[in-house]
Amino acid sequence: GAVVSQHPSRVICKSGTSVKIECRSLDFQATTMFWYRQFPKKSLMLMATSNEGSKATYEQGVEKDKFLINHASLTLSTLTVTSAHPEDSSFYICSARQGFPGELFFGEGSRLTVL
Amino acid sequence: DQQVKQNSPSLSVQEGRISILNCDYTNSMFDYFLWYKKYPAEGPTFLISISSIKDKNEDGRFTVFLNKSAKHLSLHIVPSQPGDSAVYFCAATYANTGNQFYFGTGTSLTVIP
Repeated sequence: GAVVSQHPSRVICKSGTSVKIECRSLDFQATTMFWYRQFPKKSLMLMATSNEGSKATYEQGVEKDKFLINHASLTLSTLTVTSAHPEDSSFYICSARQGFPGELFFGEGSRLTVL
Repeated sequence: DQQVKQNSPSLSVQEGRISILNCDYTNSMFDYFLWYKKYPAEGPTFLISISSIKDKNEDGRFTVFLNKSAKHLSLHIVPSQPGDSAVYFCAATYANTGNQFYFGTGTSLTVIP
């Protein structure tokens, strides 16, 4: 199956700093990628839809200025958590859909801990 | 508004027996359904899918059943193995339009050796 890779898998940062998470589709081109956040014992919460070459579409309640998304190429989307706070600590997962109908392939996830 | 629901947060099954995970949805326009398996601190992995034109799809030990009139799907795992212990998410989407996937809240399956 298609492979989506995320990096880094774990990151610890100080409060007030910014952290970038990369999401790459390794064997297919993805014009659209999705960023999810998972809270403990909760479902996957869609944060935003990343569109190659255009602005991301954010879900209601997600701060655009805090969670910056850039989809610069057909194989790479990045999520930057700006001015991180401890409440931003979470498990962030990216995904991309291959074809229609197609499965959504997920990255390995990135555990962010803000001290 | 949760369009895809998994009403059982957890399920325990003896090894070798059948595991049945259930999922309900509210939007009759969904026409493609998927099941994902997730281990802690990992991204979900795709298990099996079903199109709305079918009522059953089988892949090895995994079978998904779709009842469109009831807006209900289920995942059967038989025989269950300890390695199947994980959280299972069902998801629904539109096959040919849009990109949005709607996920249920997950069911944590524990297979007891």
